[in-house]
Amino acid sequence: EVQLVESGGGVVRPGGSLRLSCVASGFTFDDYAMSWVRQVPGKGLEWVSGIEWNGGIRGYVESVKGRFTISRDNAKNSLYLQMNSLGADDTALYHCARRPLWGSYRFDYWGQGTLVTVSS
Amino acid sequence: QSVLTQPPSVSAAPGQRVTISCSGGSSNIGNNDVSWYQQVPGTAPKLLIYDNNERPSGIPDRFSGSKSGTSATLGITGLQTGDEADYYCGTWDNSLSAGVFGGGTKVTVL
Repeated sequence: EVQLVESGGGVVRPGGSLRLSCVASGFTFDDYAMSWVRQVPGKGLEWVSGIEWNGGIRGYVESVKGRFTISRDNAKNSLYLQMNSLGADDTALYHCARRPLWGSYRFDYWGQGTLVTVSS
Repeated sequence: QSVLTQPPSVSAAPGQRVTISCSGGSSNIGNNDVSWYQQVPGTAPKLLIYDNNERPSGIPDRFSGSKSGTSATLGITGLQTGDEADYYCGTWDNSLSAGVFGGGTKVTVL
């Protein structure tokens, strides 16, 4: 069974940092690209960042460029998101999502998410 | 403001059919395939449709998708109370070099 379990969320002050983690199981991790997608409670989905299977290509939504860094450790079946200079607009539930390398752009499995709250 | 535009809500009686539109542009839907996701409140999104009209295994054929030009549509027939959820369209945007989603549509079964 495919499982994606996020952790690392919490309450942080504006300007602070957090590192999110996502541990994958039930599939061959390095056969897939991965992404982080966030969701303000009660609002819609926003793609934040993605990384190819070998970490060679990484992408970010404009609003987090220069502040967030995505990475992965295939030996540990883990995806990470280092978030710096956090602001109130970064408050959201952060999901990790699996993206098949073949076929069209889609996310076929999602984690339940970890909540990040930026507040003074 | 989402890159892809969806109606905020649609509703219908049990057994009826609803359609949800997703409008974009040439940099996203116009040149890329569309996927659709169902999210029951409090749970993770689930892939419903990919490649515009393909269903993953386990998704009933009551759910269907189509695409024409820069718009896509999700259809749900034989509406059930369990279909009450938020539905999102998504794709890649070549100009933004980013994944993009619609703002979501809440389906209510009357």
